[in-house]
Amino acid sequence: DTEVTQTPKHLVMGMTNKKSLKCEQHMGHRAMYWYKQKAKKPPELMFVYSYEKLSINESVPSRFSPECPNSSLLNLHLHALQPEDSALYLCASSQGQGPGLSYEQYFGPGTRLTVT
Amino acid sequence: GQSLEQPSEVTAVEGAIVQINCTYQTSGFYGLSWYQQHDGGAPTFLSYNALDGLEETGRFSSFLSRSDSYGYLLLQELQMKDSASYFCALPADNQGGKLIFGQGTELSVKP
Repeated sequence: DTEVTQTPKHLVMGMTNKKSLKCEQHMGHRAMYWYKQKAKKPPELMFVYSYEKLSINESVPSRFSPECPNSSLLNLHLHALQPEDSALYLCASSQGQGPGLSYEQYFGPGTRLTVT
Repeated sequence: GQSLEQPSEVTAVEGAIVQINCTYQTSGFYGLSWYQQHDGGAPTFLSYNALDGLEETGRFSSFLSRSDSYGYLLLQELQMKDSASYFCALPADNQGGKLIFGQGTELSVKP
């Protein structure tokens, strides 16, 4: 199974809402990632988890809160978002975090988020 | 710092061969990856070069020259379904797990 799944596919939320994005992989990968992608742009790294511990936070605003409940699951909790946060949110995983392992990342289909 | 440059758009016809170039700047080199992303879809890993030379995977090949800080993705026997964005990417040399992506090349395959 080389699939990363994400739910929901689409999400519309107001600026005062709280919502969560979910990601799951069953490839035994030890590194998991959250990316944000705007139209016609490359994915932009937000967070990296390695062995269920937060390893990289790319100075993401605190209104985005990641969580890794176990080695297969990754959540992104959203609160008080701004309209400019509207984007495609991608989850990915790789065998490990090191440069010799992270070059091959498996991406989920993404959650298309609209903040109104 | 690290950066990658690739053309923003390439157009080709079905059945043709197209080459998407990528030049990069980096202090530590751990290899060059290529990803494909269809409109509305997720990026999909295509290939990886850590050493100089050509890697072939079916209709797609990827080439690397470390001395020239240059690589390319070669797509042969183009099909309409190859219309997509293609990104080259480098592992960050000081943050394990982080991929530095190029801005992407939008490939349009015409009939």
